Amino acid sequence: IVLTQSPGTLSLSPGERATLSCRASQTVSNDYLAWYRQNPGQAPRLLIDGASNRATGIPDRISGSGSGTDFTLTISRLEPEDFAVYYCQQYVTSPWTFGQGTKVEIK
Amino acid sequence: EVQLVESGGGLIHPGGSLRLSCAASGFSVSIHYMNWVRQAPGKGLEWVSVIYSGDTTYYADSVKGRFAISRDTSKNTVYLHMNSLRADDTAVYYCARGWGIFDHWGQGARVTVSS
Repeated sequence: IVLTQSPGTLSLSPGERATLSCRASQTVSNDYLAWYRQNPGQAPRLLIDGASNRATGIPDRISGSGSGTDFTLTISRLEPEDFAVYYCQQYVTSPWTFGQGTKVEIK
Repeated sequence: EVQLVESGGGLIHPGGSLRLSCAASGFSVSIHYMNWVRQAPGKGLEWVSVIYSGDTTYYADSVKGRFAISRDTSKNTVYLHMNSLRADDTAVYYCARGWGIFDHWGQGARVTVSS
């Protein structure tokens, strides 16, 4: 399954809302779609699994939605740690695949 | 507290071999799915391999036949044995826990394949 993320880069200010898209080349059954955030020089961190379930310790300003082939990650109010690269990932079928990433940068 | 610590990275010539280690603490690798995920410089994430119950293993096509994942439950450590290394294997290699959902990651081990 090929995942395509858009936009490639999102330029926003702290406190603004970010909307990131992930489109799959075929249906992601059971909503087996996860989102990760990677801050510079760090390992990725799990944010969302099952398309909409927040991982442990993830604040409620971060939310995931969607089903089928179209998924969205929304950050309602950007905090400093949110300026990072975000990856979606499917775990329906092996090999598990990631999108190419969306960078959220400070405007 | 769950922790994963990778080691064994470095500079290696094309065609060479290297073994990465991932030492786990706070849980047992014998009952969890353990993976290697890599990231080439300036690029995205690529899943490489998984090992789970009964030492069942799976690999990405890009490494099949060259890489082997294993674990030593007495040391609570997972390994990635890399052979016939190529320039396009250059990456940071992360150890990650989970079946499809990677809920804990190590800090990564850098592997550079260059002459």
